[in-house]
Amino acid sequence: QKEVEQDPGPLSVPEGAIVSLNCTYSNSAFQYFMWYRQYSRKGPELLMYTYSSGNKEDGRFTAQVDKSSKYISLFIRDSQPSDSATYLCAMTGTASKLTFGTGTRLQVTL
Amino acid sequence: DVKVTQSSRYLVKRTGEKVFLECVQDMDHENMFWYRQDPGLGLRLIYFSYDVKMKEKGDIPEGYSVSREKKERFSLILESASTNQTSMYLCASSFRVSSGELFFGEGSRLTVL
Repeated sequence: QKEVEQDPGPLSVPEGAIVSLNCTYSNSAFQYFMWYRQYSRKGPELLMYTYSSGNKEDGRFTAQVDKSSKYISLFIRDSQPSDSATYLCAMTGTASKLTFGTGTRLQVTL
Repeated sequence: DVKVTQSSRYLVKRTGEKVFLECVQDMDHENMFWYRQDPGLGLRLIYFSYDVKMKEKGDIPEGYSVSREKKERFSLILESASTNQTSMYLCASSFRVSSGELFFGEGSRLTVL
């Protein structure tokens, strides 16, 4: 079993929809949680960062961590075609290295 | 803005060739990383470095080596390229791993024939 599980998609939604992206993990030592966005033929870029449990909001994006369920989510409100990308979750425990999910490909259609 | 520059975007090499992938960062970051990215497998860590001349094996170091002679430069070496090393290679740097903020280069797509 992988340490981090993420549905690869693809996920196709119409413009304006609310998108929910999720990861589950097995390592209870993880306490730093991130979401990266990767456009086609580009490197990933950090989108959201959360420490421990709780919610964090940044514009149309909300990151949610539920450590009791070992489950993290990224919500995108009012999705735009420019949100079309692959979204990777990542996490780390004692600050040694990140463990990434495999990524979910999102397509927002007009 | 932090910039991580990878020397080659696309390379085609033959089996058995020695391959060098170069990465330079301009933000004085201590930490540098080499990942490979494959469909269905995500990003897998090959090697990382916390300081000059220091290196640590990641999850899949076999068939690779690295060099960090200067703080800003981290090189990935494939001593004898094989077809199963065909992949996208991503270099990254960070100030502090716990910040979660890795700055990635645009990637080097290597094809080994």
